[in-house]
Amino acid sequence: NAGVTQTPKFRVLKTGQSMTLLCAQDMNHEYMYWYRQDPGMGLRLIHYSVGEGTTAKGEVPDGYNVSRLKKQNFLLGLESAAPSQTSVYFCASQRGSSYEQYFGPGTRLTVT
Amino acid sequence: GQQVMQIPQYQHVQEGEDFTTYCNSSTTLSNIQWYKQRPGGHPVFLIQLVKSGEVKKQKRLTFQFGEAKKNSSLHITATQTTDVGTYFCAGMNSGYSTLTFGKGTMLLVSP
Repeated sequence: NAGVTQTPKFRVLKTGQSMTLLCAQDMNHEYMYWYRQDPGMGLRLIHYSVGEGTTAKGEVPDGYNVSRLKKQNFLLGLESAAPSQTSVYFCASQRGSSYEQYFGPGTRLTVT
Repeated sequence: GQQVMQIPQYQHVQEGEDFTTYCNSSTTLSNIQWYKQRPGGHPVFLIQLVKSGEVKKQKRLTFQFGEAKKNSSLHITATQTTDVGTYFCAGMNSGYSTLTFGKGTMLLVSP
């Protein structure tokens, strides 16, 4: 089992460029989440999904879009990157709401 | 919205000293989870507390959930250098499917 994987590990974007971050899990989990982590800010929820084909907004959704076309994948898109989106992005999956979350290794994104 | 406050933000101890981090929620929680993140790593689940007044132990780590289910603590006895990292609490409200994370407590242990 690979658990939760994220692609890419690192990326540098120029302001205005777009990109998609991919999260994949092989644990057949229903719930998946995207967080961003900034120094001193902890983990903030961007978007989440409680099942294939469903998505919902978290605490800081502006500037991001997501899709969950397949149960095992959760994509995070940045349509027009801004320097404020420089962060480390973590994906997590969960069997159900009352269980623990499993985190991927993270993607370090820099927007110049 | 729900807020989860965690103190202290940072603590530096000598190996062998004890360490405690505290977590307080603005609302009553259905459960609370604790995670550890090593430097450069990702958060890893430690434990979940569900019942009012619950106490759980994992070797040198003791986790408590308050009677009102609004606060929690993590206590490490006789810290070791392997305990270095940031400890996060994360609370969940009834009827919701998301966790609200505290900002974490960074623990540094000097040998």
